[in-house]
Amino acid sequence: QQPVQSPQAVILREGEDAVINCSSSKALYSVHWYRQKHGEAPVFLMILLKGGEQKGHDKISASFNEKKQQSSLYLTASQLSYSGTYFCGTERDYKLSFGAGTTVTVRA
Amino acid sequence: DVKVTQSSRYLVKRTGEKVFLECVQDMDHENMFWYRQDPGLGLRLIYFSYDVKMKEKGDIPEGYSVSREKKERFSLILESASTNQTSMYLCASSPSTGGDTDTQYFGPGTRLTVL
Repeated sequence: QQPVQSPQAVILREGEDAVINCSSSKALYSVHWYRQKHGEAPVFLMILLKGGEQKGHDKISASFNEKKQQSSLYLTASQLSYSGTYFCGTERDYKLSFGAGTTVTVRA
Repeated sequence: DVKVTQSSRYLVKRTGEKVFLECVQDMDHENMFWYRQDPGLGLRLIYFSYDVKMKEKGDIPEGYSVSREKKERFSLILESASTNQTSMYLCASSPSTGGDTDTQYFGPGTRLTVL
């Protein structure tokens, strides 16, 4: 079953912040975040593991609330390069089930 | 860098044709995946393979089959293409290092149009 992402789309000006949420009806063991720029392949951003350990890099951060079965991705002081569609993937039997995506547009 | 390549970026086929989509990865990854991507639906898993000659159904396997004869190559087959299979098809691979689900590396995608 696919996780649910919200919002579906967000428009930002450079320097603004945004939060993308990902929730699942099933217990989560890990959550992956990917970004896909227009016309390109999805690219891994970070993984969050059960137990609170966060992996990843860059100025984009994320949190993982196991109890609520939710993860949130934080875009802080957004840059033009942050534009794209963000997908969360939740682990299930060594496979990932992806959400429908959140399209982020950052304008100058 | 991991490289996942797909045989075509764009493909146009007619209803009823047999269609082969090829995917090759160069990092000796055990796991390979086929997804289709549709607006508003995100990435949906069609099939995956965790070893040569091994395959498992994903969430939407109907109308598709796969073949993995060599570790680096994973093929998606549409036995008789239909218009509702018009979509973007993405291949991905990942290592199998045990523990957490590993990062998936995606190919550039094949946009298939079935007329």
